[in-house]
Amino acid sequence: QSVLTQPPSVSGAPGQRVTISCTGSTSSIGAGYDVHWYQQLPGTAPKLLIYANNNRPSGVPARFSGSKSGTSASLAISGLQAEDEADYYCQSYDSSLSGYVFGTGTKVTVL
Amino acid sequence: EVQLVESGGGLVKPGGSLRLSCAASGITVSNVWMTWVRQAPGKGLEWVGRIKSRTDGGTTDYAAPVKGRFTVSRDDSKNMLYLQMNSLKTEDTAVYYCTTVAGKFGNWGQGTLVTVSS
Repeated sequence: QSVLTQPPSVSGAPGQRVTISCTGSTSSIGAGYDVHWYQQLPGTAPKLLIYANNNRPSGVPARFSGSKSGTSASLAISGLQAEDEADYYCQSYDSSLSGYVFGTGTKVTVL
Repeated sequence: EVQLVESGGGLVKPGGSLRLSCAASGITVSNVWMTWVRQAPGKGLEWVGRIKSRTDGGTTDYAAPVKGRFTVSRDDSKNMLYLQMNSLKTEDTAVYYCTTVAGKFGNWGQGTLVTVSS
């Protein structure tokens, strides 16, 4: 029951900048709940990438950044690298569902 | 360092039951909120259920698709988290992850695969 919408895929050449959008609603992102982002490399568990809209956990490169505005959020990857090829998910909370919600997921391909 | 290790997955027939376990180290499960998240083959992430810390009442919440069938619990003496799954359906087939949660899902286990099939 994904209620956060992401593009299915984005791609870019090494060194380029790509962005992934995450669109929610007035009961999720628009209600003020924080947005978090996860990176899932092939065959592995998801890993926290960005928390509370725009904060990076220790060890996450500075080329990853997040933002939030209104009912949407975005993840930007600058200086795209081959190792960034993965699935990315946004996550928040939805008061109408009384539960956590994930985005539909975006596959990033490095050309 | 926080480590979460899930176990208990396997093949079960529709209508059957299974209990998943999550062994925690580096944290005290009674002091944190913890959840289960699942991922069907080739699909996205789906939150399943949550248990609050003891100081926050230890109450549980569930996603609509599993409410009434799944139960999250913990054993503080063993520092373990559990997911009891009853009345399993084919659509419950997924990798199940246990995670810590504080708004964000900070720490994840490696997951355990549950396959519901006749």
